[in-house]
Amino acid sequence: QSALIQYGSVSGSPGQSVTISCAGSSSDVGSYNFVSWFHLHPGKAPKLLIHDVDQRPSGVPDRFSGSKSGDTAFLTISALHPDDEGDYYCCSYADIYNLVFGRGTRLTVL
Amino acid sequence: QDQLVQSGAEVKKPGSSVKVSCTAFGGTLSSHGISWVRQAPEQGLEWMGGIIPFLGATEYAQKFRGRVTITTDESTASMELRRLTSEDTAVYYCARVDCRGGSCYSAKNFYYFHNMDVWGQGTTVTVSS
Repeated sequence: QSALIQYGSVSGSPGQSVTISCAGSSSDVGSYNFVSWFHLHPGKAPKLLIHDVDQRPSGVPDRFSGSKSGDTAFLTISALHPDDEGDYYCCSYADIYNLVFGRGTRLTVL
Repeated sequence: QDQLVQSGAEVKKPGSSVKVSCTAFGGTLSSHGISWVRQAPEQGLEWMGGIIPFLGATEYAQKFRGRVTITTDESTASMELRRLTSEDTAVYYCARVDCRGGSCYSAKNFYYFHNMDVWGQGTTVTVSS
């Protein structure tokens, strides 16, 4: 089962913006707008940040935004807070496999 | 506020089975779907399968077909994993799938489990001889 491709780590200073990418293919991200992003704090359950590429659930700050270009989805976090540290995962509906996750990106707030 | 509460940690022998439950408080599961996702130590998230009870629809990730069964009643979802090995040692999560406005299915009987808006606290399953 193929995983979506995410860079291992990214960092930024408080107040800066970072963008995390999630590369898929024409069998998943490229063909469907069923992409979600999750944030994991160590030892805590995942939290939904974005669904359907760019839709933000109620209660998620507008500092978090999602987008897509071709086969790649993006999560942008603006005005970084120390609490934003942790692991970020994308997932997408995929032909045959139904749902695939990325391998995760670790965000460090310097 | 809606929340999902999972059953407690389990220690199992290789070759045995484990059943993890997930109970909805503050609502029922009748109008939502449920996904099961696991995270092995130092690994990423892995989708195992999901169920949409009001459609009678269940789907399993290819990797787990034949070894996992997901069921629900009105307020509790369960995931049973059989023929356990040490590689099944992981934290197992249930997550509610938002189906408002028909967003979790299509007219062609495709089912979408990506919009997981409420998560259980996780259940640690350790497989060891």
